[in-house]
Amino acid sequence: GENVEQHPSTLSVQEGDSAVIKCTYSDSASNYFPWYKQELGKGPQLIIDIRSNVGEKKDQRIAVTLNKTAKHFSLHITETQPEDSAVYFCAASSIRLSMDSNYQLIWGAGTKLIIKP
Amino acid sequence: DSGVTQTPKHLITATGQRVTLRCSPRSGDLSVYWYQQSLDQGLQFLIQYYNGEERAKGNILERFSAQQFPDLHSELNLSSLELGDSALYFCASSVAAASSYEQYFGPGTRLTVT
Repeated sequence: GENVEQHPSTLSVQEGDSAVIKCTYSDSASNYFPWYKQELGKGPQLIIDIRSNVGEKKDQRIAVTLNKTAKHFSLHITETQPEDSAVYFCAASSIRLSMDSNYQLIWGAGTKLIIKP
Repeated sequence: DSGVTQTPKHLITATGQRVTLRCSPRSGDLSVYWYQQSLDQGLQFLIQYYNGEERAKGNILERFSAQQFPDLHSELNLSSLELGDSALYFCASSVAAASSYEQYFGPGTRLTVT
């Protein structure tokens, strides 16, 4: 079936350094790639997303890049801060799960990001 | 606060029992998703409803069922509970059926099966 692989499962970086989380997907028809952040004890929250007609998108310290040829996309967080500590999930839209032509999301397994003071 | 509410917050029950989890979507959202998150695990998509109709199905067990009511709130029913069903259950809502719309997650219901 359709699959999204996310690496690493845990990432520990020094405060102020950059963090990069990578995802690969299998469905070449995927066209929407969101990233969600889950803080401890809370539900996930969308932080940034990218569509297949764009190669890169940036929002302050967060950026996402997409390589459709290689079928991978990455989340980049610069100047990391303690509040960036959380679990991050990538996802990719896939037509396989849907009962009609609408796409549904396939989720990565998550990356636990730890910011060391 | 995402605007999505889930009740109860915590639920402790015994194996073999049946429970119902409730979700109220954000005002104006027609789509409701259910997810299961076991300890230190990712999000497992269970099922999606859109405006009262089942829209997509993920890895939902036959012992589990869901529905969305005319007022758009949704319930997830878990029966013949097993120890392995202990998990966080999240509900999310979005304005439309397609996956390219932001999903707003509730705070979750923590289910413990003893």
